[in-house]
Amino acid sequence: DAKTTQPPSMDCAEGRAANLPCNHSTISGNEYVYWYRQIHSQGPQYIIHGLKNNETNEMASLIITEDRKSSTLILPHATLRDTAVYYCIASYGDKLIFGTGTRLQVFP
Amino acid sequence: NAGVTQTPKFRILKIGQSMTLQCTQDMNHNYMYWYRQDPGMGLKLIYYSVGAGITDKGEVPNGYNVSRSTTEDFPLRLELAAPSQTSVYFCASSLLLGVAGDRYEQYFGPGTRLTVT
Repeated sequence: DAKTTQPPSMDCAEGRAANLPCNHSTISGNEYVYWYRQIHSQGPQYIIHGLKNNETNEMASLIITEDRKSSTLILPHATLRDTAVYYCIASYGDKLIFGTGTRLQVFP
Repeated sequence: NAGVTQTPKFRILKIGQSMTLQCTQDMNHNYMYWYRQDPGMGLKLIYYSVGAGITDKGEVPNGYNVSRSTTEDFPLRLELAAPSQTSVYFCASSLLLGVAGDRYEQYFGPGTRLTVT
């Protein structure tokens, strides 16, 4: 699995868009980009994943650069309940390798 | 569906004791996983299973054993507990569908907090 690099922490005002970057410059052609989040000490929660194209679901949007070396997770209207650690993972196969993620703090 | 359930929620072990962490899923998922999470760190994969009767090592398998006799259950066994095994343990499951590599989401249990003293 490719190594990913994320900023350790970010802040976002409630109601604003949260843009969480992830660098995966060594990603291989068949590796997917996954995003999970962990709220407090709960089990991680799946958010979204993609290969080449941008993806959107009810939780978030995933923007992957054309060269696939980086991606951005977008929470369009952050709420206080989005405060969590967000993990970006590049993986192909059965296993997900979690890094230390980005701690997003949403403030009122 | 209850999803992924784990028991116990909390446990304190003495050094050298053994115990089994239980994990059950009711979603008929073929893949199951065990992770540990140390304070301030990401999750590390201990063992995983792609189906009943099949298990494989993850990143940090030493000191642990697993078995998968049914689709639903994936217990994790700690033999001779050590302080280094103090951690939060998460079980997860996923359903493989679609093209190879397009891994569907993993569903996580609530975790077991284990302290070894």
